[in-house]
Amino acid sequence: GAVVSQHPSRVICKSGTSVKIECRSLDFQATTMFWYRQFPKKSLMLMATSNEGSKATYEQGVEKDKFLINHASLTLSTLTVTSAHPEDSSFYICSARERTGEAGANVLTFGAGSRLTVL
Amino acid sequence: SQQGEEDPQALSIQEGENATMNCSYKTSINNLQWYRQNSGRGLVHLILIRSNEREKHSGRLRVTLDTSKKSSSLLITASRAADTASYFCATAKTGGGADGLTFGKGTHLIIQP
Repeated sequence: GAVVSQHPSRVICKSGTSVKIECRSLDFQATTMFWYRQFPKKSLMLMATSNEGSKATYEQGVEKDKFLINHASLTLSTLTVTSAHPEDSSFYICSARERTGEAGANVLTFGAGSRLTVL
Repeated sequence: SQQGEEDPQALSIQEGENATMNCSYKTSINNLQWYRQNSGRGLVHLILIRSNEREKHSGRLRVTLDTSKKSSSLLITASRAADTASYFCATAKTGGGADGLTFGKGTHLIIQP
């Protein structure tokens, strides 16, 4: 089945630094990937839709200059948290939909998530 | 805002019992999906039910959908300790395939051995 690899799984950084999280579709091509953020014991919040070869589409309230998304190829999207602050500490999860997936089904395959802790 | 709202928020049952979780949503949907999340991990797709379907089975899972009430239920029969996880319902904002899913708040299921 479809596999999405996400790295790093855990990262600790100092306030003010930038952190990059990678999301790769291992055995399928993904023109669209999605980035979610999850707070402890809470639901997933869609942050942005990453589109291969074009700009990401951000959800309302998500700072695009804060959370930089690049989707340079059909198998790789990256999320960079710039000038991180403690309030950016969270669990970030990426997901992708297979191009050949069932039409209209929109079933997503998720990465294992990245836990970011900003000191 | 969250499209789906699950209840209960937490459920603890004995191994072997059936677990039922409910989900309500607010707008028209093309399909509704259920996902499972083990602690600190990503989500795994469990089952999808289309808007023109009323019930669907997959192994020990049974999903129902009532579009008139905008609600769905997930039943796990003969629960096992390994079923302990959080369960989320999810809907797409539109019927298209390019939209991210909107997730409910989830039900944390604990199966007591």
